[in-house]
Amino acid sequence: DAGVIQSPRHEVTEMGQEVTLRCKPISGHNSLFWYRQTMMRGLELLIYFNNNVPIDDSGMPEDRFSAKMPNASFSTLKIQPSEPRDSAVYFCASSPTGAGEQYFGPGTRLTVT
Amino acid sequence: TQLLEQSPQFLSIQEGENLTVYCNSSSVFSSLQWYRQEPGEGPVLLVTVVTGGEVKKLKRLTFQFGDARKDSSLHITAAQPGDTGLYLCAGATTGYGKLTFGQGTILTVHP
Repeated sequence: DAGVIQSPRHEVTEMGQEVTLRCKPISGHNSLFWYRQTMMRGLELLIYFNNNVPIDDSGMPEDRFSAKMPNASFSTLKIQPSEPRDSAVYFCASSPTGAGEQYFGPGTRLTVT
Repeated sequence: TQLLEQSPQFLSIQEGENLTVYCNSSSVFSSLQWYRQEPGEGPVLLVTVVTGGEVKKLKRLTFQFGDARKDSSLHITAAQPGDTGLYLCAGATTGYGKLTFGQGTILTVHP
């Protein structure tokens, strides 16, 4: 079975540009999580969905960040406009149950210049 | 706010040595996971512990969940260079599977 798929794997953009990160969760998993990882702050939860509905977006840093999950097999995280401090690795993870086990994608390394 | 304190933050050892990583909290978790992350990849789930006092073994790795389900440890016997990586503990509380992650332990095993 395919794991969590994220695209692109690397994104380099200029400050002020819109960035869209994509995620395909594992089929059958009903929870999806977006994280950001930096050396300084570690792994931070941005937002998570259950059955395509956003449950908690308190980790989204600013209004520049938005996330959608239009169906069970696709989610996007959008940053508009992007800033250099948004540079990080963004991970998507999915979970089959409410037991806490999460399966991570390979991440998208975002660099904003 | 639930916090998971992980220690040590860095660990540099020689091949063949044993080590233990600790994960502590004042909160009770319904389950606790351990992940390992290598550079350029996402965290990979190693184990889930659910019952207080539970011990699970994965080859040379031994995981223990505290009796009160507030703390956990990861013990590696005879570490190998392939064990090098970032080890993360994470506790679950809500029914949606939201995890609280520790800060991580960067382990380097020198040949």
